[in-house]
Amino acid sequence: EDKVVQSPLSLVVHEGDTVTLNCSYEVTNFRSLLWYKQEKKAPTFLFMLTSSGIEKKSGRLSSILDKKELSSILNITATQTGDSAIYLCAVELPNTGNQFYFGTGTSLTVIP
Amino acid sequence: GAGVSQSPSNKVTEKGKDVELRCDPISGHTALYWYRQSLGQGLEFLIYFQGNSAPDKSGLPSDRFSAERTGGSVSTLTIQRTQQEDSAVYLCASSLSPTGYNQPQHFGDGTRLSIL
Repeated sequence: EDKVVQSPLSLVVHEGDTVTLNCSYEVTNFRSLLWYKQEKKAPTFLFMLTSSGIEKKSGRLSSILDKKELSSILNITATQTGDSAIYLCAVELPNTGNQFYFGTGTSLTVIP
Repeated sequence: GAGVSQSPSNKVTEKGKDVELRCDPISGHTALYWYRQSLGQGLEFLIYFQGNSAPDKSGLPSDRFSAERTGGSVSTLTIQRTQQEDSAVYLCASSLSPTGYNQPQHFGDGTRLSIL
């Protein structure tokens, strides 16, 4: 069973567009939700969300958690070709030693 | 080192051979994780080490897979009698002690394993 579901699976946009990536999870009482960007190799950390309704922002990227809806979104405004990557969402499980469930990711392609 | 280091970066081997993959975590990080990522798939948890505690091996797919972590630092993931379905990218990550929780994982570049 999939505990973390991301949508869409893939997305192709033009430079300058705004995109919204979704992450839904079936884990309750989790400790945190994380977003990663994976280009060719290592996933790189973007955001960690622990509180519902508080937006985290870094440049053109922002993310927010909705614990009531068991979901999170990652927004990217004014997309650039360098934003092309797989975006991974992960949920930190409760009552474990810092273990995470990852979604399958959303593959974003930004066309010039 | 500055980041998580994995070696080799690529490994091609014949079916039935044993392979060893190495991970050197960020200095001071007590938690270490191994994941497997198959083409087009998310990260599949394999094993987790935290300090001197017994590792969480719940994600290992079969008894052909094992891992150890010596001295609380470097870890090796061993796959015995490799099969074609073992072909994947094996990613290692480390994080600060989870006693504070909410610690992000930092990933290495992975080892791309191809079984012929």
